Amino acid sequence: EAQVTQNPRYLITVTGKKLTVTCSQNMNHEYMSWYRQDPGLGLRQIYYSMNVEVTDKGDVPEGYKVSRKEKRNFPLILESPSPNQTSLYFCASSSHSGANGYTFGSGTRLTVV
Amino acid sequence: TQLLEQSPQFLSIQEGENLTVYCNSSSVFSSLQWYRQEPGEGPVLLVTVVTGGEVKKLKRLTFQFGDARKDSSLHITAAQPGDTGLYLCAGTNYGQNFVFGPGTRLSVLP
Repeated sequence: EAQVTQNPRYLITVTGKKLTVTCSQNMNHEYMSWYRQDPGLGLRQIYYSMNVEVTDKGDVPEGYKVSRKEKRNFPLILESPSPNQTSLYFCASSSHSGANGYTFGSGTRLTVV
Repeated sequence: TQLLEQSPQFLSIQEGENLTVYCNSSSVFSSLQWYRQEPGEGPVLLVTVVTGGEVKKLKRLTFQFGDARKDSSLHITAAQPGDTGLYLCAGTNYGQNFVFGPGTRLSVLP
């Protein structure tokens, strides 16, 4: 089954403790992206990657890092999480730079206390 | 910065009614997509429109892309409770910095 897999689904952590949210896709998509979704603010893009070793900032990149060492994986790293990073996070992938539609993961609900 | 607006923000209707939701921008997009998102899940793509004036139908859902490729509408005929969810439009210009609208939250009551 074609899918984007995120882990974990739920995570509660403390301020300053480094964490990684994993994302993997099995569709050989070139384009991958991370979004956060907050009430009243909609989906906002954090980082995206056009291909292996190519990453770029989205609208809200502060406090996040990403890497794209393999085509299928695009982990999101929070080096020092803060409470304002409490949110619902989605990874998404697509061929052709997103123009033909995203496949989204099921989401990671992160709470930073 | 390209922005997408959606209206209405919230919509609550009875089963069997028709409805239209709108997605508007002052910017031109090369393609526009509609997604439906259910609570706690990721958005699921419904349709992509790429040609100005294009109309696509998906069962009881009809999608239209404006002639100038700045706006789009989604019309649902005879809504059912299973149509309940958050409807998101998203636009891109040849793959550059994908933009999502804030969504229309639809509730269809039995």
